[in-house]
This record gives sequence, structure tokens and C-alpha cells, in this order.
Amino acid sequence: QVVLQESGPGLVKPSETLSLTCTVSNDSISSYYWSWIRQPPGKGLEWIGCIYYSGSTNYIPSLQSRVAISIDTSKNQFSLKLTSVTAADTAVYYCARTPRFLEWVSGAFDIWGQGTMVTVSS
Amino acid sequence: QSALTQPASVSGSPGQSITISCTGTSSDVGSYNLVSWYQQHPGKAPKFMIYEVSKRPSGVSNRFSGSKSGNTASLTISGLQAEDEADYFCCSYAGRGILIFGGGTKLTVL
Repeated sequence: QVVLQESGPGLVKPSETLSLTCTVSNDSISSYYWSWIRQPPGKGLEWIGCIYYSGSTNYIPSLQSRVAISIDTSKNQFSLKLTSVTAADTAVYYCARTPRFLEWVSGAFDIWGQGTMVTVSS
Repeated sequence: QSALTQPASVSGSPGQSITISCTGTSSDVGSYNLVSWYQQHPGKAPKFMIYEVSKRPSGVSNRFSGSKSGNTASLTISGLQAEDEADYFCCSYAGRGILIFGGGTKLTVL
């Protein structure tokens, strides 16, 4: 059973950088697309971006200037950095996997982490 | 890029069928057969229910089905059960390297 686990600070100050890591257990991180998706309290889902195990990335244009997703295949982890955060970035952040037989554009996410709440506040 | 439009809420009685719509534009839902659906219970991560408009992942009940007509995709749940009560989100590729979600629909089983 593949398990994804997000980790990182639950509180970030405005204008600082949000940093999260997703650890993949019980399977290799190779040959998949990995995404970050967030959900503000009481609201809908927002896809942030994705990374292939080779390191190629795609980001939503509205966040592209502030976001970076990286991957460490040796640790079976991938990470999210979001700079210059504001209260609008307060959300539950999920990491998720696209099935091996699909491309990331499918919008298919078959495995999700449990999510981690990140609050932006001074 | 705007979020896809879903009804805020739908309801149905056990055993009935309900349909949740997901309306986009000719640039997203209308252009690609790349619509997926997710079920989310309170406090839980979303669950993968449908991909590529109408395909069901292994393990998902055949009571769940997806379809698309023009710029609107739909999720139909037949034989409604109490455990189907949840929020449902659609997702579509919108071209230019963008994935967008709907605002979500709260399903109440009466």
C-alpha cells in the first residue's frame, strides 16, 4: 500500500517561504508524476503544480512566480516551496500521485497524502 | 483561468439516482476528454472516483459513472447510499499546462 506523508511547519509568517515535503513509502518515486494540491478552509481544491521523477515541472500560471517543486529520488521525496506567502495561502496542502499509465494532464490523482494545514499569520 | 462550475448542493434519498454537473468552457471541459471526479468526506483527503470522463479506477463501485456533453461533464450516482454523503469535485485539463477544479458539490443523502 503506497502511502504519502506531508511534513513541514504548520505556521508561516507573511512574506516568508512555505516549505513542505512529501515522503513516498512502499513504492518507488520513479516513473510517476507527483502533484501538490491545496484547499483553503471550507473551499475547493486548487492544483498548484507537478513534477515528473526526471525533474520536469509544470505550475499553475497564477503561482508560477512564487512556486518551486523539486524531487529527491534518493530519499523518495518531493518538495514544495512557495515564497512571499500571504493569508490567501492558508490552506490544507496535499501531495498526490498520478497513476503510472496516465499523464499529469489527465487530472487523475489516485493516491493522496492525508494533508497538512498551513496557516499564514504573524 | 476560472474554476469549473458545480452546484453547491444536491440531495437524494437512499436508492435514488443523482447527477452532479460540472460546467466549463470550450477551452477546458469542451476541448479535452480529461475530466476526473473526486469524493471527499469531512476531514479526509479526496478519493479518486472517475478519470478521462467516464473511466472508473479499480475498486470504485459501478454505481458511480461519468459522462460529458459539450462543455458540461456529469457524475451520476445510482442506488444512493448513506456513505455517499460527501463533497464531490470535478477536475479538468484547461490547456496551456493548467489543471482546474470545480468549486465542489455537497451531496446530502436524505
